[in-house]
Amino acid sequence: TQLLEQSPQFLSIQEGENLTVYCNSSSVFSSLQWYRQEPGEGPVLLVTVVTGGEVKKLKRLTFQFGDARKDSSLHITAAQPGDTGLYLCAGALEVNRDDKIIFGKGTRLHILP
Amino acid sequence: EAEVAQSPRYKITEKSQAVAFWCDPISGHATLYWYRQILGQGPELLVQFQDESVVDDSQLPKDRFSAERLKGVDSTLKIQPAELGDSAMYLCASSLHGPDAFFGQGTRLTVV
Repeated sequence: TQLLEQSPQFLSIQEGENLTVYCNSSSVFSSLQWYRQEPGEGPVLLVTVVTGGEVKKLKRLTFQFGDARKDSSLHITAAQPGDTGLYLCAGALEVNRDDKIIFGKGTRLHILP
Repeated sequence: EAEVAQSPRYKITEKSQAVAFWCDPISGHATLYWYRQILGQGPELLVQFQDESVVDDSQLPKDRFSAERLKGVDSTLKIQPAELGDSAMYLCASSLHGPDAFFGQGTRLTVV
């Protein structure tokens, strides 16, 4: 059972365009993380959101946590070729006082110059 | 900058052979994770340690996989015997507290 659904699976757009990718679940998470992964490398943490409705900005990237803490979105403004990569969301489920981290399958983003 | 170290970076092994991966987390990080990532998929948790104790190994195929973190610092993940379907990227991550995990570069395993 895939607890975290990411959409779209693939996205290819021109440099300068805006885009939004989504991470959805029926589960409530204590927090949610977004990672970016490049080929052959491990994921790199971009942001953690904790509070329902929280919005965080990282340069041209805007992350939002849903009010019910079940979903999140990542919006990129004026995409650049350097934004190319696999974007993974991960939700933290508290299990017996330990956080169990569940990953989505990712959105593979390709920005065309 | 502190990093999670993993070795080897690449490993090719024949099926039915034994293989082991090593991970050294960021100093002071109590939580250590081993993930498996199949090409085109997200990472799948295999085992989670808190210090030297296993807190979650529900997705670890225990008939062939084992993991240990004897002194609560570095960790080893072993597969014996390896099967073709084990070909994947094996990622180690650590966290100081909470779910913010820092990943190593991974070990790319190819079973032939």
